[in-house]
Amino acid sequence: AQTVTQSQPEMSVQEAETVTLSCTYDTSESDYYLFWYKQPPSRQMILVIRQEAYKQQNATENRFSVNFQKAAKSFSLKISDSQLGDAAMYFCAYRRSGSRLTFGEGTQLTVNP
Amino acid sequence: DTGVSQNPRHKITKRGQNVTFRCDPISEHNRLYWYRQTLGQGPEFLTYFQNEAQLEKSRLLSDRFSAERPKGSFSTLEIQRTEQGDSAMYLCACMMGSSYNEQFFGPGTRLTVL
Repeated sequence: AQTVTQSQPEMSVQEAETVTLSCTYDTSESDYYLFWYKQPPSRQMILVIRQEAYKQQNATENRFSVNFQKAAKSFSLKISDSQLGDAAMYFCAYRRSGSRLTFGEGTQLTVNP
Repeated sequence: DTGVSQNPRHKITKRGQNVTFRCDPISEHNRLYWYRQTLGQGPEFLTYFQNEAQLEKSRLLSDRFSAERPKGSFSTLEIQRTEQGDSAMYLCACMMGSSYNEQFFGPGTRLTVL
């Protein structure tokens, strides 16, 4: 069975600084997708960034980028120039082709002004 | 707002009662998923539909749980004889067919079983 592990229950960062959230996963599949979702307090979960396993190039979306290490089964999220609005619970998630999402436990990110 | 709506947003019920939740997905999205999220945890998969067909159910989905998606549009999740352990946030998500596509999540229904 696929598992996703986020080893940092809480992280904090100063506004305008950079923070990295860690995620590891376990799978025997070769074709899969990885995602980072953001869940602000009392608000809907939204997609931050996604990565296809067959692509070696790391995905980037504005201030958000990933470090995807397929052999190590690691998928970390880097947030640059952190903003107050980035404060939320962040979930790493895995999906095989056409299947459901498997989520990690989440990392609560606090952004200090 | 992702375009996915869920009703009710909050439900308080007594143990042993039945409850039903509704999810209205984005209209052209053929896949619909239900997840359960307990406090401080990531969502856990319950079941998913492609159009009106229920294609996968988690073993978390006991026989007290039933889900439907008539006509491939909205979906309902019913819990019979609720237990205190059913207290959680129930999330609905939808997706277009391609595996690369993101799942769009609704705001969830928070269930409290007294």
